[in-house]
Amino acid sequence: KAGVTQTPRYLIKTRGQQVTLSCSPISGHRSVSWYQQTPGQGLQFLFEYFSETQRNKGNFPGRFSGRQFSNSRSEMNVSTLELGDSALYLCASSHGTSGVNRYFGPGTRLTVT
Amino acid sequence: AQTVTQSQPEMSVQEAETVTLSCTYDTSESDYYLFWYKQPPSRQMILVIRQEAYKQQNATENRFSVNFQKAAKSFSLKISDSQLGDAAMYFCAYRSTQINSGGSNYKLTFGKGTLLTVNP
Repeated sequence: KAGVTQTPRYLIKTRGQQVTLSCSPISGHRSVSWYQQTPGQGLQFLFEYFSETQRNKGNFPGRFSGRQFSNSRSEMNVSTLELGDSALYLCASSHGTSGVNRYFGPGTRLTVT
Repeated sequence: AQTVTQSQPEMSVQEAETVTLSCTYDTSESDYYLFWYKQPPSRQMILVIRQEAYKQQNATENRFSVNFQKAAKSFSLKISDSQLGDAAMYFCAYRSTQINSGGSNYKLTFGKGTLLTVNP
């Protein structure tokens, strides 16, 4: 099976712009969760989607949003980018919300200038 | 809220030797999962091993094993016969089993990580 894929792998944006990141889960996996990784804060949970519904949300401002499509692919959007949004954004998939193991994608490296 | 602490920012080991990475966590729950993830320089996060809290037996995956001390809330990872390919950032993570109103509470809470260097 193909692993979790994320596009794009690298992205450079200017402060104030918005960005959309994409994640395709492993075939058959219906749960997708997103994490932000920064040197200072480490890995922080953003949100989780299952069956096109947001099931859980981390402590991030409303500028961070996401959605999931009927084919389980997920997108996350960050509006009005700030310098502090520069991070590696990781997507993880599992078979269901109760799937124990999470399988991570390679991440999208976002740089905000 | 659960917290995960990795007190060793960096560790080093000689090739073929054994190294133990430490992790402690705080929770009021009795049932949960613990994980060790490895993130090599390529950045792909890889699941190394997992432990179910209800199991007393320590998990083992080839050269990787854990020492799970539930009462002490300690979860260390032992890497035996270290190889150059083991060099990576290692993250300890906690996952609850309790469900929230949204139907999930299965987010992973990570420690800050331990950077493992393997010397030839």
